[in-house]
Parts: sequence; C-alpha cells; structure tokens
Amino acid sequence: GAVVSQHPSRVICKSGTSVKIECRSLDFQATTMFWYRQFPKKSLMLMATSNEGSKATYEQGVEKDKFLINHASLTLSTLTVTSAHPEDSSFYICSARDWGGGRNYGYTFGSGTRLTVV
Amino acid sequence: GIQVEQSPPDLILQEGANSTLRCNFSDSVNNLQWFHQNPWGQLINLFYIPSGTKQNGRLSATTVATERYSLLYISSSQTTDSGVYFCAVEGYQAGTALIFGKGTTLSVSS
Repeated sequence: GAVVSQHPSRVICKSGTSVKIECRSLDFQATTMFWYRQFPKKSLMLMATSNEGSKATYEQGVEKDKFLINHASLTLSTLTVTSAHPEDSSFYICSARDWGGGRNYGYTFGSGTRLTVV
Repeated sequence: GIQVEQSPPDLILQEGANSTLRCNFSDSVNNLQWFHQNPWGQLINLFYIPSGTKQNGRLSATTVATERYSLLYISSSQTTDSGVYFCAVEGYQAGTALIFGKGTTLSVSS
C-alpha cells in the first residue's frame, strides 16, 4: 500500500523560532496533501490542503502566515510553523492518497510530529 | 460541511468481550475509513469501506451508505485493541480531505 513518511517525529523549539515539518509520499505521487492538527484527547482537525505547484487552501480560522505550506514537488509537502508560541504545541499529521494504478486504499497518514514550544 | 458522529465516546471492556462502534454521517460520502490511533499517535488504517461489509481477522466493518452509518465490530477483544478508533469520511467530491469524527476511546483490561 501507499506509504507517507513524516519528519521529524518529535521536536522541541524555543518561542519565536520556526519549525519545518516534512511530509513525503514514498511510493506514489501526490498532487494534493492534507495537514491536520490534533490536540490531546481530541479529534483531528483539518488545517489546510496542500496543492502541488500552487497555493495551499487553508481552513477557516487557520492563520496562513503562521502555518506556511509549500508543495514544491509531487512527493513532498512542508509545513513551517513560524514564530512559534507555546499555544502552537500540538500533534501535526499529514495525509495523502494514491490515485494511481487502480489502487483503492483510501487515504494514508504520516506518523505525525509532536511539536512542543517552550 | 459533513458532520460525523461516533458513539459511544468511551468503552471499557474485559478481554474477550465483543463490541460495536458506530459512525453516523450527515450526507452522502465518496469514501469512509476506520482508523485505530495507537499510543504513539500513528493512525492505522483498518478499513476503506464506502459501502458493504469487510472483515479482517477479529475486526469487521459494515457501511450502509443509503442510511448514512457505518459499524465497526471488534470480536474477542485483546488489551492491544485499546486506543482511539476514528471514523472519517470524504465528501461526495472526490479528492477532498477526510473529515473525522471525535472518536471512540476503547480500554480493554485483562
């Protein structure tokens, strides 16, 4: 099945710094990837849709200048949390779907990144 | 947008018991998936099941698309089944993101 790799798995940063999270589709091309955020004991909330070669589409209430998304290739999307604050601490997960080859596995998720801002 | 409701929110079982988790959704969907989130946060895809019935070992799932619900059955539960189970749906326009329910937290004790 399709594999999505996400790095880093865990990061601790100081307030005011920026953190970049990578999401890669390993064995398929993904023109669209999705970024979610999960608070402790809560569900996954869609943050934005990452589109290869064009601007990301952000959900209502998500600050696009704080959460910068770049989808420069068919296998890589990055989420950069800029000027991080403690309230940005959360679990971030990316997702993509392999539409090629007649496969029908649905969406696959990365292993997630636990961000702690101190 | 589509609303996804899961029940029950919490479930406590003794090892060996069976359980049924339910997912209701508010509109027609193109895709429905069940996930198990392990303690490290990884979402494990259990079933891709927009309609019909599937089985995988002790787990099975049924989606009745016309009535807008899906059920996840866990038989002979084990302690390793503990965790959060999410139902997620994709709206009728293919290629849109999955929308998640709030999940069911399952605790299986020995």
